[in-house]
Amino acid sequence: QVQLQESGPGPVKPSETLSLTCAVSGDSVSSGSYYWTWIRQPPGKGLEWIGGYNHYSGTTKYNPSLKSRVTISVDTSKNQFSLKLSSVTAADTAVYFCARDDTTGAIDSWGQGTLVTVSS
Amino acid sequence: DIQMTQSPSTLSVSVGDRVTIACRASQSISASLAWYQQKPGKAPKLLISKASNFQSGVPSRFSGSGSGTLFALTISSLQPDDFATYYCQQFDAYPWTFGQGTKVEI
Repeated sequence: QVQLQESGPGPVKPSETLSLTCAVSGDSVSSGSYYWTWIRQPPGKGLEWIGGYNHYSGTTKYNPSLKSRVTISVDTSKNQFSLKLSSVTAADTAVYFCARDDTTGAIDSWGQGTLVTVSS
Repeated sequence: DIQMTQSPSTLSVSVGDRVTIACRASQSISASLAWYQQKPGKAPKLLISKASNFQSGVPSRFSGSGSGTLFALTISSLQPDDFATYYCQQFDAYPWTFGQGTKVEI
């Protein structure tokens, strides 16, 4: 059974870059069967898909609303994947989930989520 | 982007009630729809994919229906563990988008 665990440095200041890592166990990020994905949820609000990466095809998909600021990458040696979101503002304050998209688009596994607060 | 609209936003119900949550897509998405359950402080859990295919381990009281632009999640007899917020999500076209959620409360 796959398990995903987010980690990150904690609060981020406005205009800085948010960086998170997702450690994967029970599956391989090299697998062609999945998109390794990030989704976020502002406090008290709904879910927003950020993007996903498929290592086998080398394909990355991003939400156009964030595309200019987002990078998703994979480290196969550590079996983990990462999110970088640049030039953050308070609007980027959210719980960030790493997740597995079964390539049909359904998100079948989720990390527990990590709250990232953007504040000076 | 494809807009997903759920109704109602909040549903006040009792244990044993039959519950139906609607989800409408702004354009046809065939059967490319998933339903998730989220409890406070937890990650969402996939209940149903491809509009009506329920995931392993999901109780049979949950069912999904619909295609095109109109979909529904039905809970045949609400149990105490079912009080949560439910989201629909389309995966017909990028970016994937979610409904705003339906909170099922006592």
